[in-house]
Order: sequence, then structure tokens, then C-alpha cells
Amino acid sequence: DVKVTQSSRYLVKRTGEKVFLECVQDMDHENMFWYRQDPGLGLRLIYFSYDVKMKEKGDIPEGYSVSREKKERFSLILESASTNQTSMYLCASSSSGGPEAFFGQGTRLTVV
Amino acid sequence: GESVGLHLPTLSVQEGDNSIINCAYSNSASDYFIWYKQESGKGPQFIIDIRSNMDKRQGQRVTVLLNKTVKHLSLQIAATQPGDSAVYFCAETRLYDYKLSFGAGTTVTVRA
Repeated sequence: DVKVTQSSRYLVKRTGEKVFLECVQDMDHENMFWYRQDPGLGLRLIYFSYDVKMKEKGDIPEGYSVSREKKERFSLILESASTNQTSMYLCASSSSGGPEAFFGQGTRLTVV
Repeated sequence: GESVGLHLPTLSVQEGDNSIINCAYSNSASDYFIWYKQESGKGPQFIIDIRSNMDKRQGQRVTVLLNKTVKHLSLQIAATQPGDSAVYFCAETRLYDYKLSFGAGTTVTVRA
């Protein structure tokens, strides 16, 4: 069974904290993505990566950075968390051979 | 970036009836259109995709129709079951890129 695993289901952080969201996939996929999901807005792409140590900005990268040191792991970093970053964060991966993306179960982050 | 949107935010359907979920897209350069299902507390799950050179594709109890003339995509679910209650997203992507652009989603509720 293919699997994308996000390290936390729920997180509560304080404003100004540095936050790390971790994602691991076991499918040897080249592509990995971070989305945030907000009611009425669907899923919006924050960052993505096509290879180790490569990263590209998505539609809403401000306030975020990413790290991909190993093929199976893609981390999302909130440099200084703010309340408007309270959201559901979804990690996904896909192969270069097709459009199907596999998603993790999501991390619901609350910044207080 | 260009966006993909759904016509209706909610849909209520009687168990056993057929469901039709609609989506309008704006990027005529997209190569794939994809439907995802997201159940409560889970990440989105791939249902079916269709290439831009196709008009129709069928899966198990689902059919996707693509009308490029009016930039419209639909998902038909036959004999809707309680397990079909979820949020449905349409998404579009391009070959060798595979960044997904999502619509806002339609919440389907199945009445017993």
C-alpha cells in the first residue's frame, strides 16, 4: 500500500515560533508537494520539489520555506508562525510518470 | 495562476440516485483533469482522471465527462451510497509538471 505520512495530525504553536511539518513517502516518488487547505478556498500550493535539494515556489510561498535533503522526505518550515497560518496542511507525492498524487492525512495547525 | 472551480459548494442526494458534480476550469492548456474525494479527517484520494484529448472516461461507478468547448468537467456517481458522502475536488495539471490546481470543492451528502 502506498503511503504518505505526515508527522503530526494536530499541532498548536505560538505566534513567532519556528514550526516544522514533516512528510515522508515510501513510493520512491520524484515529486513532492505542500498544500494548505482552507474552507471555501480548496487546496493551494505552497511549495513543491521535483528532486532532492530542489524546490520551487507554488502559489502562496510567503512565510514558508521547505527542505528536501532526502528523496523520501519533504519538510515545510514556518519561519515565524502567525495566526493567519492556522490551517490544514497537506503533503502529497507523485511520480514523474503520471498525474496521480497521493496525499497524507493532513496536519491541522493552530497558531495562537 | 489560473484556477479550477466547482459550480456548487454543496449537493444533497438520495441514496441510490445518481450524483452529478460539476466543475468549470479556465486553463485550456491543461493536459489532465482529475477528481479527488476527501472524507472527513483524511487527505484527498484520487478517484479518476481524464486526459484533455478525451471526452469521457469510466471507472467503477464513476464517469468523468470533459467538454473542452465550454471548459466544463463533471463527475457522475452511479447509485450513490452513504460512503460517497465526502468533499469532491476537481483539479487540473499539465504533463511533466503535475502541479495540481484545485477548485474549492463540493460537499456531497447522501440521504438515507
